[in-house]
Amino acid sequence: RKEVEQDPGPFNVPEGATVAFNCTYSNSASQSFFWYRQDCRKEPKLLMSVYSSGNEDGRFTAQLNRASQYISLLIRDSKLSDSATYLCVVRGEGTGGFKTIFGAGTRLFVKA
Amino acid sequence: DTGVSQDPRHKITKRGQNVTFRCDPISEHNRLYWYRQTLGQGPEFLTYFQNEAQLEKSRLLSDRFSAERPKGSFSTLEIQRTEQGDSAMYLCASTGQSQYGYTFGSGTRLTVV
Repeated sequence: RKEVEQDPGPFNVPEGATVAFNCTYSNSASQSFFWYRQDCRKEPKLLMSVYSSGNEDGRFTAQLNRASQYISLLIRDSKLSDSATYLCVVRGEGTGGFKTIFGAGTRLFVKA
Repeated sequence: DTGVSQDPRHKITKRGQNVTFRCDPISEHNRLYWYRQTLGQGPEFLTYFQNEAQLEKSRLLSDRFSAERPKGSFSTLEIQRTEQGDSAMYLCASTGQSQYGYTFGSGTRLTVV
């Protein structure tokens, strides 16, 4: 079992649609959670952190369920520019790299 | 430009040659990471520096790979005797004291032919 698992997609949605991605993680001791966005052949960019209380940034809402060990990302009113790969990132305690695990990503295509 | 810089952006090399990549992190960031990403996969951790000290190395970093950060500023990643399986995007990231999230550079895309 992978430490961080995501549905690779692709998700094909029309503009204006609402789309949700889930990500599951295996290490119950994980401390921090993030969503990154990666455009084709570009570097990943931090989209938002994920908190237990849930957090929202404009059209994007992220939630964490520690009991079930999954995090989610909801995108409302999808735009063409939202087309990208969304990477789930789970981090353990400390600053090292071993405890920061990236998922393989979920691809989203938003069509006119 | 205050972001993370990587050089070169692209590198094509013949199998068996040595290559070296450079990363300049955000100046106030003391933590620097190297990752490798292949098509359809997320970034995989290679190595981590805090200031000039290399604190972690993945088993992915075979004896053909070496990384340095001699003055705690820029870092280099060298691959000796390249193999076709080394073809990938090599990403550098840095973080500061807040440890909020990574800032990645644009990456170096290596193609071994």
